Amino acid sequence: NAGVTQTPKFRILKIGQSMTLQCTQDMNHNYMYWYRQDPGMGLKLIYYSVGAGITDKGEVPNGYNVSRSTTEDFPLRLELAAPSQTSVYFCASSPYTGGYTFGSGTRLTVV
Amino acid sequence: KQEVTQIPAALSVPEGENLVLNCSFTDSAIYNLQWFRQDPGKGLTSLLLIQSSQREQTSGRLNASLDKSSGRSTLYIAASQPGDSATYLCAVPDGGSQGNLIFGKGTKLSVKP
Repeated sequence: NAGVTQTPKFRILKIGQSMTLQCTQDMNHNYMYWYRQDPGMGLKLIYYSVGAGITDKGEVPNGYNVSRSTTEDFPLRLELAAPSQTSVYFCASSPYTGGYTFGSGTRLTVV
Repeated sequence: KQEVTQIPAALSVPEGENLVLNCSFTDSAIYNLQWFRQDPGKGLTSLLLIQSSQREQTSGRLNASLDKSSGRSTLYIAASQPGDSATYLCAVPDGGSQGNLIFGKGTKLSVKP
């Protein structure tokens, strides 16, 4: 069972570069989420989606964009990367009844 | 706004001990509560999900209880093992069944052989 798959696992970006973090789930979950985790700060929600074609901002959306064209995929786009976006990014999904499944994370460093 | 607090922040015990991790939340109108485990440099692994209508859930040596009225949940780990060493996180949905999952900052557990 693949669950939630994130790619890449590691990435180093230069300031001002752009990239897309990929997230795919094979559990037919309606809900998908992007979180970032910073040391001592816990996990914070960036964006979430309740279904294909529907996305909404979370707690820390600035500097990011998302799209949800299919149930399975929820990519996170970083435009004009900044050092403040250095973090570990987690994608998650859940069914309507609750219970989140997380991916293994993407460790991003912006230099 | 929902806030989740976990006590203690860190815990070190000898192998074989039974232990309790605590989680409290400020808004008792939750749909569920979920416990996760995170190993260093890894993702979050779901341990137990307790729906609001349930009082406890069990999986192997783990037992989680939920008391909505007092805003508390406990994770009980029986006969701890070195492999249990990790950070344990509890989380609740913020207002409604889905949307933002509010996390505590975790309890870092170290089980010494």
